[in-house]
Amino acid sequence: AQSVTQLDSQVPVFEEAPVELRCNYSSSVSVYLFWYVQYPNQGLQLLLKYLSGSTLVKGINGFEAEFNKSQTSFHLRKPSVHISDTAEYFCAVSDYGGATNKLIFGTGTLLAVQP
Amino acid sequence: GAVVSQHPSRVICKSGTSVKIECRSLDFQATTMFWYRQFPKQSLMLMATSNEGSKATYEQGVEKDKFLINHASLTLSTLTVTSAHPEDSSFYICSAREPLTEAFFGQGTRLTVV
Repeated sequence: AQSVTQLDSQVPVFEEAPVELRCNYSSSVSVYLFWYVQYPNQGLQLLLKYLSGSTLVKGINGFEAEFNKSQTSFHLRKPSVHISDTAEYFCAVSDYGGATNKLIFGTGTLLAVQP
Repeated sequence: GAVVSQHPSRVICKSGTSVKIECRSLDFQATTMFWYRQFPKQSLMLMATSNEGSKATYEQGVEKDKFLINHASLTLSTLTVTSAHPEDSSFYICSAREPLTEAFFGQGTRLTVV
C-alpha cells in the first residue's frame, strides 16, 4: 500500500520569494507521483506529474518538482511566488500500472502568499 | 487536458431525502471513475472506485447502501446520497482517469443537508 506525507499544513511566504512544499511517499512498488492545486470550492487541477524519465519535472504556473527515489521525496518548488498562488496543494501517489489506478493523497499544504 | 464535468456544483437538501450527483467525462471514455469526499481544510478521502458495467468498489468504512454508485456508461458515473443527514454535508469530488495518465477532476459538489 502507498501513503503520502505532507509535513507542512501551512506555508506562509512573501510575494516574489521562493517556496518549497515538501512531500514524502511510502511504497513497496514503483509509483507515479503528482502535485495538484485546489482553489476554494473548486476541484483539483494538475500542476505536474512524474511518470518516468527525468527526475526534474516542470509543470504549469512556473512550478517544478524533483523526484528523489533514495529519499522517497517529491518536493514542489517555485522560485518566485505570486499572490495568485495562494491555494491548497496536494501531493498524490499512484502505483505503477496498478489495476485500480487510484490516487492516494497527502493531507495538503496551504500556501499563503503575503504581499 | 481532458474535461470532467460534475453537476450540481451546490445542493441543499432536507434531512431524510436523497441527492444524486453526476460526473461526466466530456471528451474521453472513462472505464474507471473515483469518488472522493473532502471535509473542510482536510484532504480528499477516496470513497469508492466506480467501474463501468460492474459494481463499485468501496473503501473500508464507506456505507454501500448510503452512497449508491452507478457507472452506466463510459462517460457517466453517479453518486446518490440516500437518506441524507447533516453529517453527510461535505464537498464531494469525482475524478476520471485513463490508465497510466493523470486523473482529471470535476469541479466538486458542495452538499449541505439541513
